[in-house]
Amino acid sequence: NAGVTQTPKFRVLKTGQSMTLLCAQDMNHEYMYWYRQDPGMGLRLIHYSVGEGTTAKGEVPDGYNVSRLKKQNFLLGLESAAPSQTSVYFCASSPSGDTGELFFGEGSRLTVL
Amino acid sequence: GDSVTQMEGPVTLSEEAFLTINCTYTATGYPSLFWYVQYPGEGLQLLLKATKADDKGSNKGFEATYRKETTSFHLEKGSVQVSDSAVYFCALSDRPGGSYIPTFGRGTSLIVHP
Repeated sequence: NAGVTQTPKFRVLKTGQSMTLLCAQDMNHEYMYWYRQDPGMGLRLIHYSVGEGTTAKGEVPDGYNVSRLKKQNFLLGLESAAPSQTSVYFCASSPSGDTGELFFGEGSRLTVL
Repeated sequence: GDSVTQMEGPVTLSEEAFLTINCTYTATGYPSLFWYVQYPGEGLQLLLKATKADDKGSNKGFEATYRKETTSFHLEKGSVQVSDSAVYFCALSDRPGGSYIPTFGRGTSLIVHP
């Protein structure tokens, strides 16, 4: 029972480098989300998807891109990493037609030097 | 837009003390309300939820009641344990335009001493 799996769990980047975070869920959920968690800021929504092939901007989308080519996967990309993107990133999924309850991955800690 | 405000922490208690963590919200529609818990080094997991006014969610000795008149969803537990030490997030999920858009509070850290 994997649930929501994020890879990698840890990553260190230099300013200007690019990388992709992968989120995979095996619960056949329609909705997927990417959040970032920073001290004192709680969780802030970066991008989300309401189904395969769809994406939408959240509260803090700048500097990030996403893709949902397959229903089970939601990718978060950083094209040119900046120190301000140092954070812990959480992926979550939710079934459609439900109350909006989220199922979270364990998080990916990204440090940009 | 929607927002969630919860009391700032850390909240520090002795074992067996009574816990209250306040949470109020603003929303345009009729949201579902949630409490999530995050243990150190882990992702968030659902603690309890309520989907309509006057509903009470409960789990593991925690409970919260959806109060529409005061737009509140305060978390309570009668006797906390050291193992309850974690960060607690209040959240709402609304459906403007048909899609669930979850909104989280900033989290409240709870530290329970033996």
